[in-house]
Order: sequence, then structure tokens, then C-alpha cells
Amino acid sequence: NAGVTQTPKFRILKIGQSMTLQCTQDMNHNYMYWYRQDPGMGLKLIYYSVGAGITDKGEVPNGYNVSRSTTEDFPLRLELAAPSQTSVYFCASSSSRNPSYEQYFGPGTRLTVT
Amino acid sequence: AQTVTQSQPEMSVQEAETVTLSCTYDTSESNYYLFWYKQPPSRQMILVIRQEAYKQQNATENRFSVNFQKAAKSFSLKISDSQLGDTAMYFCAFMKTARGSGAGSYQLTFGKGTKLSVIP
Repeated sequence: NAGVTQTPKFRILKIGQSMTLQCTQDMNHNYMYWYRQDPGMGLKLIYYSVGAGITDKGEVPNGYNVSRSTTEDFPLRLELAAPSQTSVYFCASSSSRNPSYEQYFGPGTRLTVT
Repeated sequence: AQTVTQSQPEMSVQEAETVTLSCTYDTSESNYYLFWYKQPPSRQMILVIRQEAYKQQNATENRFSVNFQKAAKSFSLKISDSQLGDTAMYFCAFMKTARGSGAGSYQLTFGKGTKLSVIP
């Protein structure tokens, strides 16, 4: 049981490039989330999903897109990367069957846009 | 909207001593959860302890305990017998529990964190 996995661990992008951050969970959780963590700050929600085919915006969605075609996968797409998107990105999942809705986090992806 | 404030950017404690990290929050919700997460240099977010707002009894997990004051909207974390492995960033987080409103209602709102250093 690997939990939540994210790839890549590190990435450097040039301004204007695009990329997809991958997230997979093997806990059969229906809820999944993408957060970003800027230096010296807590995590902020980018997008979330309540199940396959359903996604919605969080607090800071601009410049990102998501899709959820399966329960396990929740990729985050960056289009036209900008320096403001330099951050550490965390994927998380939780289950509506858990009364505390505890979220399990992946190890994060450190992204630098130069 | 909810806000979470951690007023101590950095703290240090001697090994084996006790330290308390502060957290206050602002919400109009009556049902919610509060969490403390630990983030060591590896970056992994690790759940330390959680508290349900409807429970008056303070949560404890081994060396970790909380002091939950609902009226004051305060949620501090006490670490007893501090160990070198406790060195990390600690984040306080809030989650409202609006059942039937989907996963967005269960998003976490984080404070800015407290960097804790345990000194040998």
C-alpha cells in the first residue's frame, strides 16, 4: 500500500512551458486535492475532486487545470508556466467513509519556473 | 472564510523538555475539526493530532496533546519529552464539516507554520 504518490519530485521549467504533475492514490479514496506551498507559508488549495469526472476550483486555481478520469489518478496541468508558480505542490486524498475526513498527503513536487 | 493564525514563526526547545505551540482560528462554523501537521525536512506532511470541535475533552497522542479552548478559538499543541526527531515545521489546520456539501467543504485551511528546533 503506497498511499499517495507524486511524480516528478523536482522539476525546472522555463517561462511559457507546460507540464503535468502526476498524482496517484491506492486507498480507493473518493476525494482528492491539490495544494501549493509557497516559501514560509501554509498550504493553499488549488483544485479538488469529489470523484471521477467531478472537479472544482479551490482558493488559487488560476493558471492550472485538472482532470479526474479514474478514482486513482488526479493530474494537475500547468499551462504557460510563470515564475509565480514556483512552489512545492502537494496532492492529498481522503475518504467520505472516514468521519474525520483525514487527508493523506503525497511527498510533494518542487517546481521552479525560471 | 476561515483564518488560522500561528503567531510563533520559530521556537526552540531543549531535548527532553516540554514546548507549546500556539494556534488561533476564526470561524462562524459550529462543527469543525482542527489538526496539527508536522512537516520535517523531507517535506512529507504527517498528521500529528486532531480534535473534533464538539468534543470537550482534549485529544492526546503519546507525547502530543492539545489544549482546545472553543470559546477562545484557541488550539495549542504541547509536545512533552521533546526528541531530536520532533525538529520540523508544525502547521495548524482547520476543516469545517458541512455534510452534503462535497469535498470542497472538507478542504483544509492552514496557518503559516511554526519552525520548531529541538536542541541536544
